[in-house]
Amino acid sequence: GDSVTQMEGPVTLSEEAFLTINCTYTATGYPSLFWYVQYPGEGLQLLLKATKADDKGSNKGFEATYRKETTSFHLEKGSVQVSDSAVYFCALSGTDDKIIFGKGTRLHILP
Amino acid sequence: GAVVSQHPSWVICKSGTSVKIECRSLDFQATTMFWYRQFPKQSLMLMATSNEGSKATYEQGVEKDKFLINHASLTLSTLTVTSAHPEDSSFYICSASGRDRGNYGYTFGSGTRLTVV
Repeated sequence: GDSVTQMEGPVTLSEEAFLTINCTYTATGYPSLFWYVQYPGEGLQLLLKATKADDKGSNKGFEATYRKETTSFHLEKGSVQVSDSAVYFCALSGTDDKIIFGKGTRLHILP
Repeated sequence: GAVVSQHPSWVICKSGTSVKIECRSLDFQATTMFWYRQFPKQSLMLMATSNEGSKATYEQGVEKDKFLINHASLTLSTLTVTSAHPEDSSFYICSASGRDRGNYGYTFGSGTRLTVV
């Protein structure tokens, strides 16, 4: 069945460092891909999405490119801030409309 | 646009009682709603999918008699945890998908933290 694998955390970086959180997926057909963020004590928020191959989703300085050839959707940000500390979930939505989530990656940004 | 309101945001109840969680789409018609459960430091687990006007479809391993889901209108779905026990303590999140999914995708509620004592 469909699945999402993302790098395990926690990931700890200093402010202004470059961030990459890896995400790969397994799916039949052409899923839509998402990154969600969960700040402490809050629910999930959609961070960005891509619906077809080579699409780049971007928001708040984060970006991810839908790579069909490598079945990947890695999340990147050039310069992280303390306020980016959160848990990040990679997810896909396949033909049955269900969202399949990765296990989440906890990100800590040190001032 | 595409706002989902989930209520309550947290609730504490006694073991053996029932708790109802509401999920409302405020500015779009949610043809499909999903209920998730999040265990500490774990990923979200899909519990069930509900379509307006029909019975919910539960994922394997989820007790349908314990987690009652109702999706009576295009803007409201409810999850009732019946005869709650401490092991039901968790973070429950709903999400909704509207008719125009291309624009809205999936919108999540803010979640409900349930503590059963």
